Amino acid sequence: DQQVKQNSPSLSVQEGRISILNCDYTNSMFDYFLWYKKYPAEGPTFLISISSIKDKNEDGRFTVFLNKSAKHLSLHIVPSQPGDSAVYFCAADDNAGGTSYGKLTFGQGTILTVHP
Amino acid sequence: GAGVSQSPSNKVTEKGKDVELRCDPISGHTALYWYRQRLGQGLEFLIYFQGNSAPDKSGLPSDRFSAERTGESVSTLTIQRTQQEDSAVYLCASSSGPLAAQETQYFGPGTRLLVL
Repeated sequence: DQQVKQNSPSLSVQEGRISILNCDYTNSMFDYFLWYKKYPAEGPTFLISISSIKDKNEDGRFTVFLNKSAKHLSLHIVPSQPGDSAVYFCAADDNAGGTSYGKLTFGQGTILTVHP
Repeated sequence: GAGVSQSPSNKVTEKGKDVELRCDPISGHTALYWYRQRLGQGLEFLIYFQGNSAPDKSGLPSDRFSAERTGESVSTLTIQRTQQEDSAVYLCASSSGPLAAQETQYFGPGTRLLVL
């Protein structure tokens, strides 16, 4: 049973426009969420995170939104750049008040392609 | 090298053979994780090491899988009597502290295993 789902396997966006990547989760114990970015032949790299006490976290062009009632989060990239083309993974953790050791549950990933 | 390294980068083996995958974490990182990603799926947690504590093996899919770590250094993941369903990319990650959900997990490039 997939507890973290990314239902869009791919997304294509024009350079300069907004990219919106979506993620849904089922486990209500998840309280910390992360986005990772992966280029071919490389391991995933951490992009941005959000705690469940917040509904938005922004870092430059990247913003993550969390809707706890809907068990949904999204990553917005504005403006999108060709170098953003990669696989994006959503991940979740049951942080249990800070005692978790980071056993992450990942979604399947979404391939983002940004066209020049 | 400052990052997590894994070897081999690719491994092709015959069904029934044993394989050993190696991970060199970032120096000083006490936490080490193994994940695998099968085609079309998200990363699955396999095992977690933290310092000299007993590892969390809850993600290992069968008793054919085992892993070891010597202190806070190299880890090896061993798969005995490989099956075709073991074909996947095996990813290793390390992190600097026990509250790893709040810390970034740094991933290696992975070992792509193909069982014929």
